[in-house]
Parts: sequence; C-alpha cells; structure tokens
Amino acid sequence: DAGITQSPRYKITETGRQVTLMCHQTWSHSYMFWYRQDLGHGLRLIYYSAAADITDKGEVPDGYVVSRSKTENFPLTLESATRSQTSVYFCASRYGLGLNTEAFFGQGTRLTVV
Amino acid sequence: SQKIEQNSEALNIQEGKTATLTCNYTNYSPAYLQWYRQDPGRGPVFLLLIRENEKEKRKERLKVTFDTTLKQSLFHITASQPADSATYLCALDTGGFKTIFGAGTRLFVKA
Repeated sequence: DAGITQSPRYKITETGRQVTLMCHQTWSHSYMFWYRQDLGHGLRLIYYSAAADITDKGEVPDGYVVSRSKTENFPLTLESATRSQTSVYFCASRYGLGLNTEAFFGQGTRLTVV
Repeated sequence: SQKIEQNSEALNIQEGKTATLTCNYTNYSPAYLQWYRQDPGRGPVFLLLIRENEKEKRKERLKVTFDTTLKQSLFHITASQPADSATYLCALDTGGFKTIFGAGTRLFVKA
C-alpha cells in the first residue's frame, strides 16, 4: 500500500527494555521525522533525517536512537525504556523542506512503558 | 523562548455556525504557517498552508488568516458540520527542518 506506515500500533514494554518502532514510506521522500505527542504538548521532534545515512537530533532526542540505511525506512529505538517515554509516537515524511511540502504522518504507535 | 499557543479549551459550536480557532506565537518569524487536522487515534493530516506575505487563504469551507504583526493566525470553518469535529493543530515553519507544532484545539460540532 502506498503511504507511510508505522508498526506496531500499540506496544507495552517494561522499564529498561530496548524497543524499536518501525516506520516505512513508499514515496521516496527525502525527509523523515519522528515526533512524540503527549497531552498538553504539541508534537515534539525527536530526530529527523534528510536522506539515507543522514540523521540529526531534534528537540527531545535523549534516550532515543535512529538509523536510516534505506530511504524508505526510519526506525526509532528506545535503548532502555523509561516511564517518561510513554507516549504516542508519530513518524512523518516530506518531499522537501520548502513551500508546498507538507508533512505526511503515519497512524502513530502508542507506547506504554510499565 | 519560542512558543506557540492554541486555545487548550475545547470549542463547542452548533452545526451550521462558523468555528474560529486561534494560533498565537512569540519569538518566532515563520516563513509560513500550516494547519493540520487530527482525529482520535490517527496522525495529523495537512489542510492548508499560508505564507508570511499572504493575508488570507481559502479552501472550500476553510479560511486561514495570517497576521505577522499580531503574530497570530485564525482558522475558520464555515457552515460547520459534525464531521468537522476533530483536533486542529497549527504549525510554524521557518523553512528549515524545525517545524514547531501547537498542542491543538479540540472542536466539537453539535448537530
């Protein structure tokens, strides 16, 4: 299917475990992003990637690791999950960064750390 | 610090009326501003973009205004319908990768 898909949709994990959230897009968009969304906060940028093998930190990167070996995939790893990382995570992609290049979001992954 | 504020209280209106949502920002000079719609359990979906040199933009029943002096954008939905009930997010973009999102305003349209 065309678009941007995230997996899993829901995940419960224990404190201290490593967990990876997957993101796949079929448009060959250059830019990909990971956001977290918490009540009372806007979407906060965790990491972004401008192309394969190019990644950079966003606003809240601590405790997260990303990789981008292929243009279409952008996994997000929580190295040692903490309760404060309980959140809804959204992956997004954009063709570029200029005008008329809106972000396309995945369905989100609801992560609960117990 | 840079800040975006959207009304955190939900907006309740009657079907057929015009809904007006507000987005205020400080310490920021955005190149353009975007509005997204988010339904429960779904990712945001892009609606409209307005540039810093545009005062107003329309798309069907949607209208966005952008006042860089007041540092404010207004988002209007005319002839609102229950299907318009959702959370609406504004997002500021300076043209780089750092898009700043507001927390969103929930809109409820009652039939």
